[in-house]
Amino acid sequence: DQQVKQNSPSLSVQEGRISILNCDYTNSMFDYFLWYKKYPAEGPTFLISISSIKDKNEDGRFTVFLNKSAKHLSLHIVPSQPGDSAVYFCAASGIGSEKLVFGKGMKLTVNP
Amino acid sequence: NAGVTQTPKFRILKIGQSMTLQCTQDMNHNYMYWYRQDPGMGLKLIYYSVGAGITDKGEVPNGYNVSRSTTEDFPLRLELAAPSQTSVYFCASSYVAGVANEQFFGPGTRLTVL
Repeated sequence: DQQVKQNSPSLSVQEGRISILNCDYTNSMFDYFLWYKKYPAEGPTFLISISSIKDKNEDGRFTVFLNKSAKHLSLHIVPSQPGDSAVYFCAASGIGSEKLVFGKGMKLTVNP
Repeated sequence: NAGVTQTPKFRILKIGQSMTLQCTQDMNHNYMYWYRQDPGMGLKLIYYSVGAGITDKGEVPNGYNVSRSTTEDFPLRLELAAPSQTSVYFCASSYVAGVANEQFFGPGTRLTVL
């Protein structure tokens, strides 16, 4: 039973355009959501997060949107750069939980 | 700060052998985690610890053991290695849980069991 779903395994965009990465979740007890970025042969690194009391969080070129009623979040990268090419993981955490639940990841390729 | 360090980076084991994957963090984090990542899959939690002397099972604990004798170290032990344990293993740590559970990851150990 996958509680965090990233249904598209890959996305390819042109440099300078917008990248939109989607994530759906099934557990209504999740209240904190994170995006991680992973380069080959490295560990995941934290990118941006959002609490369930917000519907948007922005950090430079990265914005995460949360739609609680739809149990859906998305990561927008504007403008996309070739260095953004990586695998992006969506993760969620429940109230008071020590654990994160990860999606399967989506490979983003930004073409010059 | 070195952050989270893992050794070894790569290892090949024969079926039935055992080994310990080392993980150390220098951020004084209370929480530590072991994940495995199989090809095309997300990260699955093996074991975690909320402090020295306290460990608990994650989603896929079978075939593994852990200990947490210090805040800094969280080794993962594989006994009787099996091909199904071929994977990339990541150790992570975090300072607080719950609302702001940002976990910091090590570079991973790529394990092959033949």
